[in-house]
Amino acid sequence: DAMVIQNPRYQVTQFGKPVTLSCSQTLNHNVMYWYQQKSSQAPKLLFHYYDKDFNNEADTPDNFQSRRPNTSFCFLDIRSPGLGDAAMYLCATSRVLGTAVSYEQYFGPGTRLTVT
Amino acid sequence: TQLLEQSPQFLSIQEGENLTVYCNSSSVFSSLQWYRQEPGEGPVLLVTVVTGGEVKKLKRLTFQFGDARKDSSLHITAAQPGDTGLYLCAVRLRAGSYQLTFGKGTKLSVIP
Repeated sequence: DAMVIQNPRYQVTQFGKPVTLSCSQTLNHNVMYWYQQKSSQAPKLLFHYYDKDFNNEADTPDNFQSRRPNTSFCFLDIRSPGLGDAAMYLCATSRVLGTAVSYEQYFGPGTRLTVT
Repeated sequence: TQLLEQSPQFLSIQEGENLTVYCNSSSVFSSLQWYRQEPGEGPVLLVTVVTGGEVKKLKRLTFQFGDARKDSSLHITAAQPGDTGLYLCAVRLRAGSYQLTFGKGTKLSVIP
């Protein structure tokens, strides 16, 4: 089945130790997103790729970076994780063509990051 | 201030009961989406509403978009334990954009 896959599902890292979260998709969608979701809060968009074009949200900390080496894969790098970065990180994709009224986003299961 | 206010924040009901959850805003939107997020999983799209006053049904779920396209409701008839999850509404802030802004969600627990 076509899907969005996130690895690992659970990640524990130490304060200040760089960590990379992975996302892959078999949907061949042109847009990939990274969201941060903390407990009892809305998913917050960090950045997204439209094809190879990187789009950063204005309030995303510099500590967060992303790479998209090809259509299928996208990575979230946290250069120096702090305790406040502990959260669920969700990857999503959508197929954006023209000016449709709305686009469905397909989410992966998320990676729960713990910072010790 | 949240762009989208979802209420209630938490809801715990018995199996078989009916319930309604709400998504409200002071802004007008071209469309609104409802997602359900089960524990430990990513959100899954349930419906997209576009026209003011529109009503859409998905089995036991009924979605309504307000006439002024500022708010929406989700009604569940005869809730089942499988309905347990976080219900999120989401909108696009600008016409023609594809990024979504989510509400905080309503966390629903259906007790067998």
